[in-house]
Amino acid sequence: DVKVTQSSRYLVKRTGEKVFLECVQDMDHENMFWYRQDPGLGLRLIYFSYDVKMKEKGDIPEGYSVSREKKERFSLILESASTNQTSMYLCASSPYNGGDTIYFGEGSWLTVV
Amino acid sequence: GENVEQHPSTLSVQEGDSAVIKCTYSDSASNYFPWYKQELGKGPQLIIDIRSNVGEKKDQRIAVTLNKTAKHFSLHITETQPEDSAVYFCAASRTGGADGLTFGKGTHLIIQP
Repeated sequence: DVKVTQSSRYLVKRTGEKVFLECVQDMDHENMFWYRQDPGLGLRLIYFSYDVKMKEKGDIPEGYSVSREKKERFSLILESASTNQTSMYLCASSPYNGGDTIYFGEGSWLTVV
Repeated sequence: GENVEQHPSTLSVQEGDSAVIKCTYSDSASNYFPWYKQELGKGPQLIIDIRSNVGEKKDQRIAVTLNKTAKHFSLHITETQPEDSAVYFCAASRTGGADGLTFGKGTHLIIQP
């Protein structure tokens, strides 16, 4: 079974803190994604990556950055957390060519106070 | 960019009845249309998908139809069961999902006993 693991399920951080959300996949997938999910807004793409050290902006990249130093690991970084970044964050992965299943992790609930 | 509209936002049906969720998309170049089911506290899971060269696809009690001319696609669940209660998301992509998916805002399906 494909596994996308988000190491932190629940986090509470203070405004202005630097926050790291980590994601690891075990299927040797080239593509990895970070989405945020908010009630009534569905899932919105923040950043994605085709390969190691590569990154592309999604629909809502402002306030976020990412890091992909190894193929299996994709990190989302909030340089200076703000209360409007309180949300559920979902990591996903898929094979390079597209047209194949995109697998999601269980999500990380982040509360910024 | 792509825009996906999903209706209804909440759908309540009696156990054993059918449920239909509808989505429209804006980008005529979109070619991949997956549906995801999200249970409480979990990440979304792919339940069925359809590509633009196919008009209908079935998998047991679940079917998806695609009308490219009208740019809409629908999820049909027959003989609904309590375990079908969840939030369902439609999505679209012009790259088979390789650079991410654009999601609808979700439908909360409630199966009444």
